[in-house]
Parts: sequence; structure tokens; C-alpha cells
Amino acid sequence: EVQLLESGGGLVQPGGSLRLSCVASGFTFSSYAMNWVRQAAGKGLEWVSSIGGAGYSTHYGDSVKGRFTISRDNQKNMLYLQMDSLRAEDTAVYYCAKGGIVEPTGLDYWGQGTLVAVSS
Amino acid sequence: DIQMTQSPSSLSASVGDRVTITCQASQDITNYLNWYQQKPGKAPKLLIYDASNLDRGVPTRFSGSGSGTDFTFTISSLQPEDVATYYCQQHHNLPLTFGGGTKVEIK
Repeated sequence: EVQLLESGGGLVQPGGSLRLSCVASGFTFSSYAMNWVRQAAGKGLEWVSSIGGAGYSTHYGDSVKGRFTISRDNQKNMLYLQMDSLRAEDTAVYYCAKGGIVEPTGLDYWGQGTLVAVSS
Repeated sequence: DIQMTQSPSSLSASVGDRVTITCQASQDITNYLNWYQQKPGKAPKLLIYDASNLDRGVPTRFSGSGSGTDFTFTISSLQPEDVATYYCQQHHNLPLTFGGGTKVEIK
């Protein structure tokens, strides 16, 4: 059974940093692209970033480019999102989502999400 | 970026009704279109991939159709457990983009 479990969310001041983690199980982690998708309260879904299975190809949405960094550790089945220079508009639930073998791809499994709140 | 226009934004229907949601892409995405269901307080769940393929374990009352720029999602007989927000999403190009969502309620 595929499982994705995010952690690392919390309250942070504007301009601060936070690192989200996602531990994966139930599939061959290194074979699949992984994604971060966020959702502000009462709003729709916004794709944030993706990374290829080997970790060499990364992509970002315009709203986070230059501030967020996606990475993965295939030995530990871990996905990360380093978030720097955080803004109030980054406040959202952040979901880790499994992609396919080739990018771009749909998202077939999602974690339960972790809440990031940016406020002074 | 490919824009996804979903309609309606909300609907209210009776149990047993047929419900239809449409999604229009700003350019040809062939069949690279998925549909997700999100219940309140929960993560999205994949229902249909590549426009018309039902994901494993998804009830057959859910279906999808379309290609190119115009897509349709249908619930053939609405059930109380189908109360949720439904999103379309294209995976033809990065950035992945989602429709604005359709909130489905029971009348």
C-alpha cells in the first residue's frame, strides 16, 4: 500500500524558513517523480514543485521559483521542500504527491498534508 | 501556462441525480487530464486519469470523457458520500495546473 506522510509544517515569521519532509512507502520510490502541491484555506489546488525520480530534474511554479528548493533522498525514501523567504501568501496546507515514471504526470497518491502558516 | 476552466463552481443535486462537470483547457492537452475528489478536511484522491480511465477501486458511477480542450466528468447517480469538491488537472505541460474546483452538495 502506497503511503505518504508529510511533516515539518508550523508557524513561521515572514522572511523565515521552513523545511518540509515527506516519507514514502509501498512503492519503488526512486522510480517515480514526486511533487508538492499546496492549498490555501478555502481555495483551490496549486502545484508548487516536482522532481524526477533520480533527482536531477526539478521544476517550480512561478510563485515559488528562487525561494523554494525541492530535493529527495532515494536511500531514505524521503522528499523535501526547503522554503526560504516565506511570505504570508505561502500560508497553506502542503501536500506531497506521487507522480509517474515520466514527467509531466498526474498525481495518483497524496499525503494527508502539513500546514504552513506565515505570520508575524 | 495552460489555463483550466471548470464549471460550474458549485452545484446542488438530489440523491440519484446525474451530475455533470465540464473542464476546458486553454490549449490542446490531448487526453492528459485527471479528475480528483476532495472531501472536506481530506487530501485529494485520484478518480479518473487520462480523461476516461477509472482509477482502481473507484465506483463505476464515476466517468470521464473528452479530448483536446473539452472534457466532462459525470456522476451517473449521485450518492450522499459523493459530497466533495472535484478538480480537473492537466499533465500535458509543466506547470501542472488545476481547474478552480466544483463543490457538489446534496439538495
